[in-house]
Amino acid sequence: DSGVTQTPKHLITATGQRVTLRCSPRSGDLSVYWYQQSLDQGLQFLIQYYNGEERAKGNILERFSAQQFPDLHSELNLSSLELGDSALYFCASSAFSGPDTEAFFGQGTRLTVV
Amino acid sequence: QKEVEQDPGPLSVPEGAIVSLNCTYSNSAFQYFMWYRQYSRKGPELLMYTYSSGNKEDGRFTAQVDKSSKYISLFIRDSQPSDSATYLCAMSRIQGAQKLVFGQGTRLTINP
Repeated sequence: DSGVTQTPKHLITATGQRVTLRCSPRSGDLSVYWYQQSLDQGLQFLIQYYNGEERAKGNILERFSAQQFPDLHSELNLSSLELGDSALYFCASSAFSGPDTEAFFGQGTRLTVV
Repeated sequence: QKEVEQDPGPLSVPEGAIVSLNCTYSNSAFQYFMWYRQYSRKGPELLMYTYSSGNKEDGRFTAQVDKSSKYISLFIRDSQPSDSATYLCAMSRIQGAQKLVFGQGTRLTINP
């Protein structure tokens, strides 16, 4: 168990809908990362937050947004969902943002858009 | 063309064999190279981490980086059934977990 908690584990929703994925980082970790894992694209970095502020951005669609709250948990919001958004969404956390920081991944949320 | 190429396999070998997993990449700015292991229905976990070129050994695992060829490898000696998993290479221009670029992952099965 990595100590990173993601909820829900599974989510099935219809096209056009909006969902929120939640991540609780390891105790004391300030940095949260979101990744998307799909069969055709593999594991792709979406976005990083550090102590409540956006730190780095990857291949995140405009329909997607994230935030990190004062208690350091993070949420990834996915809107106007399309079939192609079906994937595993992973959250990872690390103590800091810079060098010598190993990220620990949660078990993921499997999103199915029908 | 993807920045990181990795043969998805599947790769099946007998217990005790030496396993070689490889990735090639195109971005010469990558400085940090990692191997993650992902069991079914689990998140990736960091196995090995290497900076720039060279070798690194940790128990039965050896990671090699050849920046001149843009080629990285992971060797598993005395492979065990518990090593059966998907192995993902990942690399980055900066240290840490920001903006890691992953390979597709190689599914490995070790047969008893």
